[in-house]
Amino acid sequence: EDKVVQSPLSLVVHEGDTVTLNCSYEVTNFRSLLWYKQEKKAPTFLFMLTSSGIEKKSGRLSSILDKKELFSILNITATQTGDSAVYLCAVQGSGGSNYKLTFGKGTLLTVNP
Amino acid sequence: NAGVTQTPKFQVLKTGQSMTLQCAQDMNHEYMSWYRQDPGMGLRLIHYSVGAGITDQGEVPNGYNVSRSTTEDFPLRLLSAAPSQTSVYFCASSPPQARGDTQYFGPGTRLTVL
Repeated sequence: EDKVVQSPLSLVVHEGDTVTLNCSYEVTNFRSLLWYKQEKKAPTFLFMLTSSGIEKKSGRLSSILDKKELFSILNITATQTGDSAVYLCAVQGSGGSNYKLTFGKGTLLTVNP
Repeated sequence: NAGVTQTPKFQVLKTGQSMTLQCAQDMNHEYMSWYRQDPGMGLRLIHYSVGAGITDQGEVPNGYNVSRSTTEDFPLRLLSAAPSQTSVYFCASSPPQARGDTQYFGPGTRLTVL
């Protein structure tokens, strides 16, 4: 059974801080790892990672994957109150678990002014 | 494009009632799926479909039925609602080349079963 564990489950920071969110996983025949941001509505796509060591970057957000140690991190620099959200990590396997995304429970990030 | 649309936005049912949650997408996506989200539980896959006429079970399929007669629509049926099905339901779709990753989510349906 595929499994995703995110840590911490919640985090409170001040504007301007840098945060690191963690995601570890177990999946049969790994295909991809995805990060989503969820505010008070539907999740929105942030990154898809398939290869180890290649950083994906979008503005102040960046993410990297380590397929040997089976984890990914999501970094947010110079946090703003608009970054407050639940950040979800998901993995997709191939073969028997093809097409299925397994999600972690999420990290609730609160950025205070 | 309207993207992924879901109706209704909110619904209250009594135990034992049946209903259908509607999901439609206008992006010609082959892959569609249904998730439920409960506090502290993340998103859990209920059923998914890789194309018209093809459906399969996810992690928590019991109590739910699906069918996929067209590429655009993927309704989720609750046959006999139970309080344990109180949740927020999200429908998602993904283009053929993505094979289920990079999913686009609908706005969700908040269901309460009394």
